[in-house]
Amino acid sequence: DTGVSQDPRHKITKRGQNVTFRCDPISEHNRLYWYRQTLGQGPEFLTYFQNEAQLEKSRLLSDRFSAERPKGSFSTLEIQRTEQGDSAMYLCASSLDGLAGKQETQYFGPGTRLLVL
Amino acid sequence: GDSVTQMEGPVTLSEEAFLTINCTYTATGYPSLFWYVQYPGEGLQLLLKATKADDKGSNKGFEATYRKETTSFHLEKGSVQVSDSAVYFCAFEYSSASKIIFGSGTRLSIRP
Repeated sequence: DTGVSQDPRHKITKRGQNVTFRCDPISEHNRLYWYRQTLGQGPEFLTYFQNEAQLEKSRLLSDRFSAERPKGSFSTLEIQRTEQGDSAMYLCASSLDGLAGKQETQYFGPGTRLLVL
Repeated sequence: GDSVTQMEGPVTLSEEAFLTINCTYTATGYPSLFWYVQYPGEGLQLLLKATKADDKGSNKGFEATYRKETTSFHLEKGSVQVSDSAVYFCAFEYSSASKIIFGSGTRLSIRP
């Protein structure tokens, strides 16, 4: 069990550029989540996948944001035309949706810190 | 709407002091409750959890009891160590949903 990994760990970009982050969940975990954490705040839910299906999206996820999990394994989060307000830590988590829909613990990755200049 | 309110930090204590970090939540029904911890330079880790009323979650000397009547889940530790310095997040999750609702975090600093 290597844990949830995210790449890159840090990203600096100029306003208006597109960025893409990758998350590799714990193997065999069928659920994958994206959160955003701004300085001094707790993480806020963005979206989640059950296998390859994106089942819920937060209102925080504007049209400039898109997430995919094409084969039900790793996921990508893309931000188009970045704005300074997008600067934050982007966290990925994964969990196993167990028997009879029993919720299991979400395990978090180290995050990708984005700075938009 | 759904929310978590926790003690504002920073909280600074001396080693071996008693710790309490207050947490209350607003939710419909009976969610699962959590404390997560974020050590400097590391990712979020689950510290403890409780899934139903009157349950006590415990780990690494930390404890929290699910109080339905006061919608609270206060974190306590009898004797803190320097290594406990971190940011602590109170949170909850509905069993039927997927997202975790987090508080804003409490930064804890322990002096030797």
